[in-house]
Order: sequence, then structure tokens, then C-alpha cells
Amino acid sequence: NAGVTQTPKFRVLKTGQSMTLLCAQDMNHEYMYWYRQDPGMGLRLIHYSVGEGTTAKGEVPDGYNVSRLKKQNFLLGLESAAPSQTSVYFCASSSPGTSGGYEQYFGPGTRLTVT
Amino acid sequence: AQSVTQLDSHVSVSEGTPVLLRCNYSSSYSPSLFWYVQHPNKGLQLLLKYTSAATLVKGINGFEAEFKKSETSFHLTKPSAHMSDAAEYFCVVSEGAGGFKTIFGAGTRLFVKA
Repeated sequence: NAGVTQTPKFRVLKTGQSMTLLCAQDMNHEYMYWYRQDPGMGLRLIHYSVGEGTTAKGEVPDGYNVSRLKKQNFLLGLESAAPSQTSVYFCASSSPGTSGGYEQYFGPGTRLTVT
Repeated sequence: AQSVTQLDSHVSVSEGTPVLLRCNYSSSYSPSLFWYVQHPNKGLQLLLKYTSAATLVKGINGFEAEFKKSETSFHLTKPSAHMSDAAEYFCVVSEGAGGFKTIFGAGTRLFVKA
């Protein structure tokens, strides 16, 4: 049971390049999320998904696209990278807890630098 | 609208002394509240959660938090700090189902001195 995994762990892009970050979970969770973490700002939600084939915008969706073709995978795409997208990206998944609440399980993160 | 404020960006304690990390929140509904810990270059790990059951919540590694509705607080405590507790801690508030309306605090960095 690997939990939530992210690929790649590190990446450096030039402005205008594109890339896709892959998130995979083996816990059969319905919900998946992409966050970005910037210094002093906690985590901010980029996009999320309530199930296979569905996605929705979070707090900071501009410049990103997502897809969830399979329940266990959630992809985050940057079509034209900008220096403002330099950040650490975290994927998470969740399902209803037995006592309520939706505790999220996080991947190890992807550190992206855009030059 | 919901919000969460972690009152200290940095806290420094000596090993063996108590830890207090402060968190205030606001929410229009009955929220779920969480504390997560993040060790350097790692993902976030759930410490504990409050979901309208007992107001004193016990978590992993000896941490606990008390939900005080009248004070809109959810402070994290531990009786005796260990060197391995040095990390960043996030207070999180979530409304409704699905976890989509989830707000993270800015984080508190805990330093533990030998």
C-alpha cells in the first residue's frame, strides 16, 4: 500500500514550456485534490475531483488544467509555464471518515522551478 | 466565509517542555478541524481531527487539541517536546462534505532546542 505517490519529485522548466504532474493513489478514494504550497501561505487548492471523469476549480486554478480519466490517477497540467508557478505541488486524496470529516492523505510533493 | 489564523509563525521550545501552537478559526457552519504536520521535504501527515464529537481530541505522537467554540480556537498542545517534533504544523478548517471548502493556515514552524 503506497498511499499517494507523485511523479516527478523535482522539475525545472523554462518559461513557456509545458508539463504534466502525475498523482496516483491506491486507497480507492473518490476525491482527489491538487494544491500548491508557497512560503508563508499554507496550501491553496488548485483543482479537485469528486470522481472519475469529473473535475472542478479550486481557489487558484488559472494557468492549470487537470484530468481524471481513471479513479486512481489525477493529472495536473501546465500548458505554458510562468515563473509565478514556481512552487511545491501536493496531491491529496480523501474519502468520508468513519467519524465524519474528510481527512486528506498527501503525496510527498513535486518541487517545480520555472526560470 | 471560513478562515483560519495561526497566531505564531515560529515557536521555539526546549526539549522536555510543553508545546502550545495556537489556532483561531471562523466558520459559518459546524466545521471539521484538523492539525497536520509537515517534516522538511515531506508531505503533510494528519495529527488529529475534530468532527463534532469530543471537544478534546487526542492525536498521534502525544499531541492533543481542544475545540473551544466560544473562543473559536483549536490550539494544539503536547506535554513534553521531543527533538523529532521539530517541523511545520498546519491548522486546517473544512466545511461541508467532500473536503472542497478546506482552508489551510499559514503554518507554524516549531523549533526544539536540546
